[in-house]
Amino acid sequence: AQSVTQLDSHVSVSEGTPVLLRCNYSSSYSPSLFWYVQHPNKGLQLLLKYTSAATLVKGINGFEAEFKKSETSFHLTKPSAHMSDAAEYFCVVSTGTGRRALTFGSGTRLQVQP
Amino acid sequence: EAGVVQSPRYKIIEKKQPVAFWCNPISGHNTLYWYRQNLGQGPELLIRYENEEAVDDSQLPKDRFSAERLKGVDSTLKIQPAELGDSAVYLCASSLREVNEQFFGPGTRLTVL
Repeated sequence: AQSVTQLDSHVSVSEGTPVLLRCNYSSSYSPSLFWYVQHPNKGLQLLLKYTSAATLVKGINGFEAEFKKSETSFHLTKPSAHMSDAAEYFCVVSTGTGRRALTFGSGTRLQVQP
Repeated sequence: EAGVVQSPRYKIIEKKQPVAFWCNPISGHNTLYWYRQNLGQGPELLIRYENEEAVDDSQLPKDRFSAERLKGVDSTLKIQPAELGDSAVYLCASSLREVNEQFFGPGTRLTVL
């Protein structure tokens, strides 16, 4: 079965400092992996996705993630945090028949201090 | 392009009452999903439709939950009767069949008293 584990439930950074949100995955085959962001009272928005092309994936708003098969990791990074980045972030793996379902991690709440 | 539309945005009911949620996916998206998100957790799939056919409903509690997508466009998710543990955010998402990128609506926050 495919699954993801988000290693931190809460991360706090200062504005302008780097962001690192950690995610490990478990999959019996080459996975499709995603990062979604959820702002309060807003819908989930796709940040980026990995589908077995380049291992370094660039997303929206300056975020990127690197797929590391040897470490079974897909960590999300951003060089410089902005106040508007404060939100809940979910690491996600596609699963199920035809990989049409998504299995979400438990989420990491990112707090950005001024 | 309009996104996924859900209504109502908020619903408060007493236990044992019925409740229904409505979703209109992005135009042209033939795959529609319903998820439930409990407080402090990630969303969990309840049911997936390909056009009007429910192709994955293994996680739908069928004793009290039902869903329909009669014309392969909009969909309704119903709970009858609601229990206290059903309090959650119910999310609808849609995608093209050929692409596994899903677009989510804002959700319906259900509170069962």
